[in-house]
Amino acid sequence: EVQLVESGGGLVQPGGSLRLSCAASGFTFSSHWMTWVRQGPGKGLEWVGNIKQDGSETDFGDSVKGRFTISRDNAKNSLYLQMNSLRVEDTAVYYCARDQIEYGRSYDVFDIWGQGTMVTVSS
Amino acid sequence: DIQMTQSPSTLSASVGDRVTITCRASQSISNWLAWYQQKPGKVPKLLIYKASNLESGVPSRFSGSGSGTEFTLTISSLQSDDFATYYCQQYNNYSPITFGQGTRLEIK
Repeated sequence: EVQLVESGGGLVQPGGSLRLSCAASGFTFSSHWMTWVRQGPGKGLEWVGNIKQDGSETDFGDSVKGRFTISRDNAKNSLYLQMNSLRVEDTAVYYCARDQIEYGRSYDVFDIWGQGTMVTVSS
Repeated sequence: DIQMTQSPSTLSASVGDRVTITCRASQSISNWLAWYQQKPGKVPKLLIYKASNLESGVPSRFSGSGSGTEFTLTISSLQSDDFATYYCQQYNNYSPITFGQGTRLEIK
């Protein structure tokens, strides 16, 4: 079964750090760009950032650029989101998602999503 | 960044109705548009990609159309399982990925 399972969420104070993990199974993880998307309480979806198959490229949304980093370990089929200098407005459910591959080409369309992990930033 | 605007924000409809949700981009995105369905407390689910391509396993009552800046998601005959929030998402290569604000489809 194709699956993504996030972990690492929790309560953190403003200015703190947290590292999220996403464990992939059931597909060739190293073949896919991977993405983090978040959703604040009662809000819509917001793209956080993504990482290329070999980890050589990452990109981020403006709201997290310079504070968050994404990495991956293809040997462990795992994706990570390191969040530093956290703000109250970073409070959200964080989803990892798999980028679609069609006819051998990767697209920024998210065909598999994890269940999400909640991050709460509060004093 | 490209802004995505969905209308309406909320839509009330009955089982069996034909419904249409619109998504407008602030600049042309060709056909680089996807639609997702999200039920309360659940994970988003991909419905449509490249504006009109139906994701595998998605019922054929869902369809997408449009190009450039204006797109629509149509449900031909609403089923009870379709009441959810729908999001569009653009993935133009030259701009950060952005989502619409969502359209909540509720039972009339």
